[in-house]
Amino acid sequence: GQNIDQPTEMTATEGAIVQINCTYQTSGFNGLFWYQQHAGEAPTFLSYNVLDGLEEKGRFSSFLSRSKGYSYLLLKELQMKDSASYLCAVRDRNAGNMLTFGGGTRLMVKP
Amino acid sequence: DTGVSQDPRHKITKRGQNVTFRCDPISEHNRLYWYRQTLGQGPEFLTYFQNEAQLEKSRLLSDRFSAERPKGSFSTLEIQRTEQGDSAMYLCASSLVYGTPHSGANVLTFGAGSRLTVL
Repeated sequence: GQNIDQPTEMTATEGAIVQINCTYQTSGFNGLFWYQQHAGEAPTFLSYNVLDGLEEKGRFSSFLSRSKGYSYLLLKELQMKDSASYLCAVRDRNAGNMLTFGGGTRLMVKP
Repeated sequence: DTGVSQDPRHKITKRGQNVTFRCDPISEHNRLYWYRQTLGQGPEFLTYFQNEAQLEKSRLLSDRFSAERPKGSFSTLEIQRTEQGDSAMYLCASSLVYGTPHSGANVLTFGAGSRLTVL
C-alpha cells in the first residue's frame, strides 16, 4: 500500500512564497505529481518529478528526494488566484502504475 | 478536442435508486480512469481501462458499482441501489500510456466531475 501525507491547510500572504510538503511511502516509486484543484473544479496537472532535484515552471517549482520519500511544491509571488487545494500524487509500479493521491493541502492566500 | 467531458454534472437521487454517469475522454487517450472524491479529501482510485479492457479495480468498488468502456471510447459508471455513503464527486480522467510525463504521457487529464447526492 501507499501512505501519502501532506498538511491539511496553509495560509499565506499575497506576494509571498509558500512551500507545501508531501511525504510518501511506496514500494515501487515511479514518479510524483502535483495537481491544483480549485473549489468545485477538476484537478489540473502542475508538475512531475521522477528523479531527485528541482523542477521549475514559472512561479511553481517542485522538489523530490527519493531517499527521504519527500517532495515539496514551492509557489512564489503568490496571487489570490493561487487559493486552491494542492494534491500530491504518487505512481507505484507495483500497483499497476496507478496514481494514488494524498488528501490535499488547502491553501488560502490573503491580501 | 474539448477535453474530458462528464455527464451529468449533478445528480440527486433517493436511496435505493440506480444512477449512471458517462465520461467522454480525450479522443487520442487510451487510458480512462474513474476516481471518487469526497469533500476535503483527495481523489480515490476506483478503476481504469486501457482501451476497452478493464485492467484494475479498487477494493472500494463494491459489487453495486460497475464500469464499462464498450468500444474503447466513452465509459459509463453505474451505481446500483445507491446508499447515502455513495454521495461524492465522481471524477473521470484520461491519459496516454506511451511516452513520458514530460511529453504528456501518463499525465491524467480530469473532467469536471459528476456530483452525486443520495438522499
